[in-house]
Amino acid sequence: EAGVVQSPRYKIIEKKQPVAFWCNPISGHNTLYWYLQNLGQGPELLIRYENEEAVDDSQLPKDRFSAERLKGVDSTLKIQPAELGDSAVYLCASSGRVNEQFFGPGTRLTVL
Amino acid sequence: KQEVTQIPAALSVPEGENLVLNCSFTDSAIYNLQWFRQDPGKGLTSLLLIQSSQREQTSGRLNASLDKSSGRSTLYIAASQPGDSATYLCAVTNFGNEKLTFGTGTRLTIIP
Repeated sequence: EAGVVQSPRYKIIEKKQPVAFWCNPISGHNTLYWYLQNLGQGPELLIRYENEEAVDDSQLPKDRFSAERLKGVDSTLKIQPAELGDSAVYLCASSGRVNEQFFGPGTRLTVL
Repeated sequence: KQEVTQIPAALSVPEGENLVLNCSFTDSAIYNLQWFRQDPGKGLTSLLLIQSSQREQTSGRLNASLDKSSGRSTLYIAASQPGDSATYLCAVTNFGNEKLTFGTGTRLTIIP
């Protein structure tokens, strides 16, 4: 069974540019999460989806971050415009009925 | 607000030794607790999930225990191997909120 797929794995952009990350969850998992992980820290939740509905986006900086999960499967996280402080690893996770979360490899973003 | 602490931040042990990693949390009303490992530059791999009604879970050389009343969990690794070298993170989910709250991890090095 394929795990959580994320792309790209690495992204380098200049500040003020837009960037987008893509996630494909494990088949059959209705819940999808986007986390942000800074160096030396544990991941922190940005947004959680139940199917196509964002049920917890309280930690998402809505002035520059947006996310969508069309048809309740794949999801895209966007930053526009990116700032230097956005450099981090962006992790996608999914879970099924048991709420055990499975993570993708992450996208490492560097903003110059 | 739930807070998760992992001590020590780093640990080095000789190959073959048994070891214990510690995790503590401030709010005992948890739904479950998960242990992950993270290799440098990689995503998180789920090791063990303990539901709130359980006291421990075992997988191979790994054993995780949970004491909700004291707000503690331990991850026991038997007969350590160099391949066990990684950062180990624990995370909890509280009732009514499916997001994981992570500790900052313990960086484990197994010395051959």
